[in-house]
Amino acid sequence: AQSVAQPEDQVNVAEGNPLTVKCTYSVSGNPYLFWYVQYPNRGLQFLLKYITGDNLVKGSYGFEAEFNKSQTSFHLKKPSALVSDSALYFCAVRDGDYGQNFVFGPGTRLSVLP
Amino acid sequence: AAGVIQSPRHLIKEKRETATLKCYPIPRHDTVYWYQQGPGQDPQFLISFYEKMQSDKGSIPDRFSAQQFSDYHSELNMSSLELGDSALYFCASSWNGRTGELFFGEGSRLTVL
Repeated sequence: AQSVAQPEDQVNVAEGNPLTVKCTYSVSGNPYLFWYVQYPNRGLQFLLKYITGDNLVKGSYGFEAEFNKSQTSFHLKKPSALVSDSALYFCAVRDGDYGQNFVFGPGTRLSVLP
Repeated sequence: AAGVIQSPRHLIKEKRETATLKCYPIPRHDTVYWYQQGPGQDPQFLISFYEKMQSDKGSIPDRFSAQQFSDYHSELNMSSLELGDSALYFCASSWNGRTGELFFGEGSRLTVL
């Protein structure tokens, strides 16, 4: 079975500084990895995904993530944080070889301070 | 572009009552998922349907059932409601098999009193 860990409940960063939200995963087969953002009382919005190919994936709103197979990680990054990036971020994994299920991590709350 | 539509957006029920949530996936999406998100929790997978057939089952209580209809909309039926069922219920849809990302609706907030 697959699982996702997000080791930080909360990340605080100053506006204009780079941000990183960490994610590690465990799957039996090939990992398909996703990042989502959730604003209060809203649905989850897709940011980016890694399926295959280049380890650095670029997504919406200037976010990017780097797939690292040896460290089983898929950290979300942005070079310059905005106050409007403040939200709840979820990493998710799907086993590319077995099953349909998406599994989400516990989420990391990002606060960007002006 | 069309998104995933969920109804109702808010629902208040008493304990032991029944509730039905509806989901209309994005046109041409072939898979529908249901998730439950409790306060401060990550979304928990309940059940999914591929081409109107149940494809995977997660932590869905026996009191809950779901189905997908010929027009691809899906309904989540919840009976004998308990206080702990109070949560946000999300429907999501996808296409392109396992590589496709999920597109989420805005959720249905169920409050059980």
